[in-house]
Amino acid sequence: DTGVSQNPRHKITKRGQNVTFRCDPISEHNRLYWYRQTLGQGPEFLTYFQNEAQLEKSRLLSDRFSAERPKGSFSTLEIQRTEQGDSAMYLCASILTGMGTGELFFGEGSRLTVL
Amino acid sequence: TQLLEQSPQFLSIQEGENLTVYCNSSSVFSSLQWYRQEPGEGPVLLVTVVTGGEVKKLKRLTFQFGDARKDSSLHITAAQPGDTGLYLCAGGSYNTDKLIFGTGTRLQVFP
Repeated sequence: DTGVSQNPRHKITKRGQNVTFRCDPISEHNRLYWYRQTLGQGPEFLTYFQNEAQLEKSRLLSDRFSAERPKGSFSTLEIQRTEQGDSAMYLCASILTGMGTGELFFGEGSRLTVL
Repeated sequence: TQLLEQSPQFLSIQEGENLTVYCNSSSVFSSLQWYRQEPGEGPVLLVTVVTGGEVKKLKRLTFQFGDARKDSSLHITAAQPGDTGLYLCAGGSYNTDKLIFGTGTRLQVFP
């Protein structure tokens, strides 16, 4: 396991379609974050999980967004009825809390383009 | 809402010049991290500072956490083209476990 893996790396979809992104964190990491980043801006927090529990969701996350981490390992982020404003890079990050170095490790992101 | 404003937003300099990037907030943070992000990749952690007034050096990079834990700066000495990228500060909160990212500073160093 060499790092956080995200799939797909790029997704182009038409407005109104549903998309799902997957994140595989570093295997022993117990906490997983999702962020959204638009070009040249800092990442915006979306949600995070401690093991399988979703502990916080941003107000940015409308009802069209849902995230899961069913077994406390990989996570999925689904966007329903996509809109052009959803176009962004979706970043996943993981961290080992408690005994780790406190370093957040990011994946390379999934870039979404909504036409 | 905790906000972290970075300045400048863009910086374009010649190799060998020095520069400072600032990260400011009206909120107090438990810790402050700096990341660098290159195109098509996720942010990579450079440093974490946790004590007010703390200064950390990483080769040509010097990081400082403000005494009041509301601001931070990143100083690069003798910038090189390899320093080019998006620099992000990120604050740790006392109230939640999420990391709040700054607005970003895009640095371009020309040879």
